[in-house]
Amino acid sequence: DVKVTQSSRYLVKRTGEKVFLECVQDMDHENMFWYRQDPGLGLRLIYFSYDVKMKEKGDIPEGYSVSREKKERFSLILESASTNQTSMYLCASRYRTGLMNTEAFFGQGTRLTVV
Amino acid sequence: KQEVTQIPAALSVPEGENLVLNCSFTDSAIYNLQWFRQDPGKGLTSLLLIQSSQREQTSGRLNASLDKSSGRSTLYIAASQPGDSATYLCAGNNAGNMLTFGGGTRLMVKP
Repeated sequence: DVKVTQSSRYLVKRTGEKVFLECVQDMDHENMFWYRQDPGLGLRLIYFSYDVKMKEKGDIPEGYSVSREKKERFSLILESASTNQTSMYLCASRYRTGLMNTEAFFGQGTRLTVV
Repeated sequence: KQEVTQIPAALSVPEGENLVLNCSFTDSAIYNLQWFRQDPGKGLTSLLLIQSSQREQTSGRLNASLDKSSGRSTLYIAASQPGDSATYLCAGNNAGNMLTFGGGTRLMVKP
């Protein structure tokens, strides 16, 4: 079974802190994604990576950065956490588009609260 | 830009009913469409993936269809059970590797 593992289920951080959310997948997937999910707004793409050291901005990249130094790991960084970044964060991975099986798999989510 | 819509936003049915969840998308140049289930406070669980060359996929009591020409996909759940209560999301995969999600349908199956 494919596994996408997020480092924390729950996090509480203070305003202004630098926050790291980690995601690891075990299927050698090229593509990895970070979404945030908020009531009434659905899932919104923050960043996407299609290969090691490669990244693209999603719909709401402001206030976030990402790192992909190894194929299996994709990190989301909140440079200076703010209360409006309180949310559920979801990581996903899959093979690149163009191959037959591009089923996306998600981690269990990280509920981040910024106080 | 692809837009994905799910109607209704919420649905309540008695146990045992067959039901259909709807998903509409604006860009027919879609590689595939994926259906997910999400339980409260949890991540997304993949249910079915339909490639653009396919018309339907089945897994147990679930059947998903895809009609690119009309921009529609449906998820059919047979003989619904209380354990099927969850939010169901569809997502379209277009060129550019992006997954675009609908807002979801929150399903409640009453015993």
